[in-house]
Amino acid sequence: DVKVTQSSRYLVKRTGEKVFLECVQDMDHENMFWYRQDPGLGLRLIYFSYDVKMKEKGDIPEGYSVSREKKERFSLILESASTNQTSMYLCASSRSLDEQYFGPGTRLTVT
Amino acid sequence: AQSVTQLDSQVPVFEEAPVELRCNYSSSVSVYLFWYVQYPNQGLQLLLKYLSGSTLVKGINGFEAEFNKSQTSFHLRKPSVHISDTAEYFCAVKGGYQKVTFGTGTKLQVIP
Repeated sequence: DVKVTQSSRYLVKRTGEKVFLECVQDMDHENMFWYRQDPGLGLRLIYFSYDVKMKEKGDIPEGYSVSREKKERFSLILESASTNQTSMYLCASSRSLDEQYFGPGTRLTVT
Repeated sequence: AQSVTQLDSQVPVFEEAPVELRCNYSSSVSVYLFWYVQYPNQGLQLLLKYLSGSTLVKGINGFEAEFNKSQTSFHLRKPSVHISDTAEYFCAVKGGYQKVTFGTGTKLQVIP
């Protein structure tokens, strides 16, 4: 079974802090994605990566950056967390641009 | 550009009754279509997908969906729901080389 793990299920940070969300997949997938999920808005793509060190902006990249130094790991970085970044963050991976496999999510609260 | 519309944000249904969750999409190219399910406090998992071939697609847990190109729809159906089907369901579309676009989700509430 494909497994996508995220470093934390719940995270509480203060405004202005730098926040790292880690995602690891164990199936050698080329593509990895970061989404945020908010009630009534569904999933919105923040960034995705189709290869090591490659990244592309999604629909809502402002306030976020990413890093992919190894194929299995994709990190989302909030340089200076703000309260409007309180959300559920979902990581996913896929072999082709087809079915995606999701991690359990990180619920981030910024106070 | 592509888009997905899930018209119903919440669908309450009694246990053992049939259910249909609606999904309409728009795209200027041929599409792949997906339904994902999210149980409480979990990530999404794939229910079923349409890539090509038969327009009636069967998925896990007794769900099925029908691709209707003329109506640009991909509605999800189950003939008899169970309490354990209570979850949020997301329709998604991928056209050509574009990334996947997700709908806003439909919360299915199964009433005992």
